[in-house]
Amino acid sequence: AIQMTQSPSSLSASVGDRVTITCRASQGIRNDLGWYQQKPGKAPKLLIYLASSLQSGVPSRFSGSGSGTDFTLTISSLQPEDFATYYCLQDYTYPLTFGGGTKVEIK
Amino acid sequence: QVQLVQSGAEVKKPGSSVKVSCKASGGTFNTYTITWVRQAPGQGLEWMGGIIPIFGTANYAQEFQGRVTITADESTSTASMELSSLRSEDTAVYYCASRVVPKRGAFDSWGQGTLVTVSS
Repeated sequence: AIQMTQSPSSLSASVGDRVTITCRASQGIRNDLGWYQQKPGKAPKLLIYLASSLQSGVPSRFSGSGSGTDFTLTISSLQPEDFATYYCLQDYTYPLTFGGGTKVEIK
Repeated sequence: QVQLVQSGAEVKKPGSSVKVSCKASGGTFNTYTITWVRQAPGQGLEWMGGIIPIFGTANYAQEFQGRVTITADESTSTASMELSSLRSEDTAVYYCASRVVPKRGAFDSWGQGTLVTVSS
């Protein structure tokens, strides 16, 4: 199975900060990757698909980049509602695999 | 965008089975990939398996092979996930999610989650 190594596992940031989260795949996955945001007690929410395509309705401060094995989710200016846990998901081949998650907390 | 509604919370004994359903509405069921994800308390997301209803063949994560069965009924636009030989470690919230077949990574519709508690 493809391993998705996500880093950092947690970070503390302030409103207005630029935040970067990375995922590394153990083998190439083209751009078949999605990024998800999850808040406590809620289902995950799709932010980015195909590595860099912004899901409809998601604020433009979220962006994704990368291809092959290295991927990045960037929040350009962190807002109060962005404090949550973020996951990457490789959708290149079965079994699908998630990264371990990044918890973004208030500094 | 399809809406997914899951069946309600379950409490099960160790060794028993649970079946969680996921009813889709507002979309064309057989053009979607349905996947099942679980989340144990305080833990991350874990992919369990998925199915494309029009093909009917499911794929499963290795750790659930032999214990999980995912099915889809096009006539009722309902997907189901059955997990057998339950143990306490299977206590988790179980989610179904869907994406249009060609949009890799784009699970844009999620069910509300079903809490399954395994306890003697």
